[in-house]
Amino acid sequence: DVKVTQSSRYLVKRTGEKVFLECVQDMDHENMFWYRQDPGLGLRLIYFSYDVKMKEKGDIPEGYSVSREKKERFSLILESASTNQTSMYLCASSKVGGSGVSLVTQYFGPGTRLTVL
Amino acid sequence: AQKVTQAQTEISVVEKEDVTLDCVYETRDTTYYLFWYKQPPSGELVFLIRRNSFDEQNEISGRYSWNFQKSTSSFNFTITASQVVDSAVYFCALSAMDSSYKLIFGSGTRLLVRP
Repeated sequence: DVKVTQSSRYLVKRTGEKVFLECVQDMDHENMFWYRQDPGLGLRLIYFSYDVKMKEKGDIPEGYSVSREKKERFSLILESASTNQTSMYLCASSKVGGSGVSLVTQYFGPGTRLTVL
Repeated sequence: AQKVTQAQTEISVVEKEDVTLDCVYETRDTTYYLFWYKQPPSGELVFLIRRNSFDEQNEISGRYSWNFQKSTSSFNFTITASQVVDSAVYFCALSAMDSSYKLIFGSGTRLLVRP
């Protein structure tokens, strides 16, 4: 079974703090993704990575950066957290199949509910 | 442009009722994939099914069944004899070349199954 883990289920931070959200997958997947989920807005893609040290912006990258130094780990960084970044953050991974970034199923972690005060 | 519409925001049923969750998608690609995910209160999105655009066969898995109709651009999900444990938010999603195969999610349908 694919296992995607996230470092924290719940996190409370102060405005202006630097925040790291970690995601690890154990299935040797090439692709990894970060989403945020907000009521009424569904899931929105922040960043994705299709290989080590490779990253691409998703639909809402502003205020975020990412790091992928190892294949199994994908970190989301909030350089200076703001209250509008209070949200549920979901990490996912998938294996490359044929052509295209996300041809096959994305498997999700349990999510990190971040509150910025 | 790719789009997924789940018109039902919330559905409430009594246990053992059958319930169908609707999903309508838009894409100009001929090759695409459709997914259903379940998000229980714990928060994790659980993969349920993936279909590709060339396979219109309906699928049944236990109490779950999926009806894929290209003619109406729909990929509906039916739960037969619903149970309280089915209570969750269900998301339909689309992946196609036009969107670089990124997952495009619908807004989700919250299903409440009452005992």
